Amino acid sequence: SAVISQKPSRDICQRGTSLTIQCQVDSQVTMMFWYRQQPGQSLTLIATANQGSEATYESGFVIDKFPISRPNLTFSTLTVSNMSPEDSSIYLCSVLTGAATYGELFFGEGSRLTVL
Amino acid sequence: SQQGEEDPQALSIQEGENATMNCSYKTSINNLQWYRQNSGRGLVHLILIRSNEREKHSGRLRVTLDTSKKSSSLLITASRAADTASYFCATDAGTYKYIFGTGTRLKVLA
Repeated sequence: SAVISQKPSRDICQRGTSLTIQCQVDSQVTMMFWYRQQPGQSLTLIATANQGSEATYESGFVIDKFPISRPNLTFSTLTVSNMSPEDSSIYLCSVLTGAATYGELFFGEGSRLTVL
Repeated sequence: SQQGEEDPQALSIQEGENATMNCSYKTSINNLQWYRQNSGRGLVHLILIRSNEREKHSGRLRVTLDTSKKSSSLLITASRAADTASYFCATDAGTYKYIFGTGTRLKVLA
């Protein structure tokens, strides 16, 4: 299992500003992911955070808007840049334990961002 | 979109009744997982079923998988008010990345 801490848990931000979300895991994990959950919607994968290299982004998400860092196997950050009200969402950090064929995802509590 | 579909979108039942929710997906998978989310918080893993399994049980949960139909179902027996949450299926689509379904909002009335 894995325990994931996310900060901040919630924030209210002004249009045009940027916010960095931190994700700390209590053990070393290979795979870390960032998801977005818009109000009332399901989760959408933003990117895979790769340790020591650039993140792998999903279609519709770009590094300039969502820069990600992963300096080691227990920590990652996601920045939401130049925010607009459409970025109001819950952002969730997730890690995969075990192999893809039988691993399960563990999630942080999420960071709820409201952009005014 | 590769996102799976779940139905129903919303389900309201009385305490003690069974709740069934279904998930359909589009690509071949290694495994399918079900998660619960309470009030917009983080997701909690419920159960994982591998592609070579047809049924799995965990407490009051029963999951079935039909890979020929690319579908799965989650049954919660003897539901409780505490089961009120959103439930999501997630598939690995043959890779390490998991794609989540649209979700079912379950409300259990006391």
